[in-house]
Amino acid sequence: EVQLVESGGGLVQPGGSLRLSCVVSGFTFSDYWMHWVRHVPGKGLVWVSYINNDGTSTSYADSVKGRFTISRDNAKNTLYLQMTSLRGEDTGVYYCARDGRFLEWLLYTWLPDYWGQGTLVTVSS
Amino acid sequence: DIVMTQSPLSLPVTPGEPASISCRSSQSLLHNNGYDYLGWYLQKPGQSPQLLIYLGSNRASGVPDRFSGSGSGTDFTLKISRVEAEDVGVYYCMQALEARPTFGGGTKVEIK
Repeated sequence: EVQLVESGGGLVQPGGSLRLSCVVSGFTFSDYWMHWVRHVPGKGLVWVSYINNDGTSTSYADSVKGRFTISRDNAKNTLYLQMTSLRGEDTGVYYCARDGRFLEWLLYTWLPDYWGQGTLVTVSS
Repeated sequence: DIVMTQSPLSLPVTPGEPASISCRSSQSLLHNNGYDYLGWYLQKPGQSPQLLIYLGSNRASGVPDRFSGSGSGTDFTLKISRVEAEDVGVYYCMQALEARPTFGGGTKVEIK
């Protein structure tokens, strides 16, 4: 069974930092690209970042570029999101999600298929 | 970035009746491999999003066959043939053609 479990959320002051983790099981982590997606109640889903299967390629939403860093440790089956210079608009539930490999020859699609339960990040003074 | 526009914003439905949600993209989502890089997700109250449809029209594993996705290029539709009470929540389309994926604003489906 595919499982993704996030942790590391919490209350942080503006300008502060936080590191989110996502431990996965039930699939070969090193074969899959991974995503972070934020949900703000009443405002919908926002894609934040993705990383390729070996960690050599990343992409970020403009709103977090230069402040957030996605990384992974394939030996530990863990995905990370280092968040710095946090702002109020970064508040939300952060989900890690596995990228879908829907066809054998498609190594990535940038469409997440499995999602974790989320971890809440609140940026407030 | 590609802009995704969903309609309607809110959709009251009657159990047993059909429902339809529209999603339009600011540019074509047709990849040169022949697939439309468009997915549909449902976020039920208090839950994580779940994948319903991938690559435009393919039902994800375990998704009931009352859900179907259609369309190509810039215009896409999610249809529920007969709505059930468990289908309430917010539906999102998502484009994945470009290196920075984007979601539509969401359509809230609720029972009348």
